[in-house]
Amino acid sequence: AAGVIQSPRHLIKEKRETATLKCYPIPRHDTVYWYQQGPGQDPQFLISFYEKMQSDKGSIPDRFSAQQFSDYHSELNMSSLELGDSALYFCASSLGPNKSSYEQYFGPGTRLTVT
Amino acid sequence: AQTVTQSQPEMSVQEAETVTLSCTYDTSESNYYLFWYKQPPSRQMILVIRQEAYKQQNATENRFSVNFQKAAKSFSLKISDSQLGDTAMYFCAFAYSGAGSYQLTFGKGTKLSVIP
Repeated sequence: AAGVIQSPRHLIKEKRETATLKCYPIPRHDTVYWYQQGPGQDPQFLISFYEKMQSDKGSIPDRFSAQQFSDYHSELNMSSLELGDSALYFCASSLGPNKSSYEQYFGPGTRLTVT
Repeated sequence: AQTVTQSQPEMSVQEAETVTLSCTYDTSESNYYLFWYKQPPSRQMILVIRQEAYKQQNATENRFSVNFQKAAKSFSLKISDSQLGDTAMYFCAFAYSGAGSYQLTFGKGTKLSVIP
């Protein structure tokens, strides 16, 4: 079965640079979630989209922005990178409301290292 | 705000034995969902089992089962016939329908080691 695809899998950036992370949800899934997992930490919710609209927002820094496109893929844009942004970034997808939408399936993650 | 607490940072179990991981949560919501996710050394997040709060029957998935005590706000995971491949970090997670989305709130995790 198709899974959530994230690219790139690994990314190394320097401080103050910009990074773009991409997420391709499972086919027919219209809801995307982004999570950040720091070293030794539990995943923290950043932001979510349903049908190309932002549906919820968590602890996402103002330096970060995200969007969902017409094909339902999503991109997380991170600017003015800081050392503390080094983390594993997960994308998860689910079906929209009324379709068992509480079940999320995670991608393999993008490991971002800021030097 | 919803909180999830896992009081066992690390646990170990002998291969083929049974182990129970604890999780408690705090919420004022009535319609919510609970999950256990497994994160092996590869760091992939794998859904192990899920429980709808409105269901009284405990969920079971092969060797994995939960003990859901709604009044006590407890949601423990039992792994039977432990296998080496069960070695991983296990996260308990909570979601509810009242927010804009079903965002997950995770506990701090329990690191499980299965010993041959």
